[in-house]
Amino acid sequence: TQLLEQSPQFLSIQEGENLTVYCNSSSVFSSLQWYRQEPGEGPVLLVTVVTGGEVKKLKRLTFQFGDARKDSSLHITAAQPGDTGLYLCAGAREETSGSRLTFGEGTQLTVNP
Amino acid sequence: DAGITQSPRHKVTETGTPVTLRCHQTENHRYMYWYRQDPGHGLRLIHYSYGVKDTDKGEVSDGYSVSRSKTEDFLLTLESATSSQTSVYFCAISGLGDGTQYFGPGTRLLVL
Repeated sequence: TQLLEQSPQFLSIQEGENLTVYCNSSSVFSSLQWYRQEPGEGPVLLVTVVTGGEVKKLKRLTFQFGDARKDSSLHITAAQPGDTGLYLCAGAREETSGSRLTFGEGTQLTVNP
Repeated sequence: DAGITQSPRHKVTETGTPVTLRCHQTENHRYMYWYRQDPGHGLRLIHYSYGVKDTDKGEVSDGYSVSRSKTEDFLLTLESATSSQTSVYFCAISGLGDGTQYFGPGTRLLVL
């Protein structure tokens, strides 16, 4: 069962354009993480959002956690070729032995110069 | 960058042979995780550890076992490798176990 749906799966845009990636679930998460992964490497943590409605900004990247803590979005302003990569969202659920992450399948972003 | 290393980085093995992957951390983090990443499935949790000798199963644990005899090392063993276990394996660590995890560089495993 895929608990986290990411869309779009693939996105190819021109340098300077804006884009939004969505991460949706029917489950409530205690927190949600966004990662970026480049070929041959492990995912790198971009941000953690914890509070419903929370908005975090990281330079040209804006992350939002839905009010009900079931969904999230990543918006990139004025995309650059260096933004190319696989973007993954992951929802965390608390358990007595620590949080477990459920990952979306990812959005492969290509920014063309 | 979090101090996480994985070994080996690449391995080719034959069906039916045992394989052990090692994850080593220098951050003294309590929580450690093993994931596999496959096209069409994303990252899936195999096993995780919440302390020395404390481990639990993830969503795809069949055919895998783990051990953690000291804080810095978490071993993943494929008792008898199968072709369906061909994948990229990632180790991750977390200090607070709160969902914020840091990943190693991965091990690419090919089972022939």
